[in-house]
Amino acid sequence: DTGVSQDPRHKITKRGQNVTFRCDPISEHNRLYWYRQTLGQGPEFLTYFQNEAQLEKSRLLSDRFSAERPKGSFSTLEIQRTEQGDSAMYLCASSLLSQSNTIYFGEGSWLTVV
Amino acid sequence: QKEVEQNSGPLSVPEGAIASLNCTYSDRGSQSFFWYRQYSGKSPELIMSIYSNGDKEDGRFTAQLNKASQYVSLLIRDSQPSDSATYLCAGGNTGNQFYFGTGTSLTVIP
Repeated sequence: DTGVSQDPRHKITKRGQNVTFRCDPISEHNRLYWYRQTLGQGPEFLTYFQNEAQLEKSRLLSDRFSAERPKGSFSTLEIQRTEQGDSAMYLCASSLLSQSNTIYFGEGSWLTVV
Repeated sequence: QKEVEQNSGPLSVPEGAIASLNCTYSDRGSQSFFWYRQYSGKSPELIMSIYSNGDKEDGRFTAQLNKASQYVSLLIRDSQPSDSATYLCAGGNTGNQFYFGTGTSLTVIP
């Protein structure tokens, strides 16, 4: 399978704990995006990388959220001191800049904070 | 004002009919537009992309873009029960983030 891969697919955590999600983009895709989606809403942009550079962060991304893409390949999204409002599906997507930025999503990582 | 707006529906059509989904956007600088299909509990799946004014057809799907009216639509011909899903409209600039609408729920009745 050469699609976008996310891990873990499901995570249940207690409020206040830290969680980390990993995303492996489609091979050679130089752009990588993180979105968050809650029930009944469309995906909300969080941040994106071009290669290893984080080019944009949403105002939605509080100080508790941090994303990295250290070698321009896989990326991690960490949420510190989780809150119940963080419960959502975290979607990773990737694109190749030369293809007009068509973005392809992974299967998502479901987070439930209890 | 939301960047991309869709009628949340639900929209119900009989099997074999044409389903028409609509979307408006606020940023006149947006250049790229996409339609995604999302089944319950799954991630969005790309159906169509459109960048120029006019129509673009792919099988049973036709995307329409009118930049003057800031309007994007998706027509699904010969609707099938398997088309029942939420359809997400997205738009943005190449080199920038993309905004998604809240989605339109479509049910195709056998």
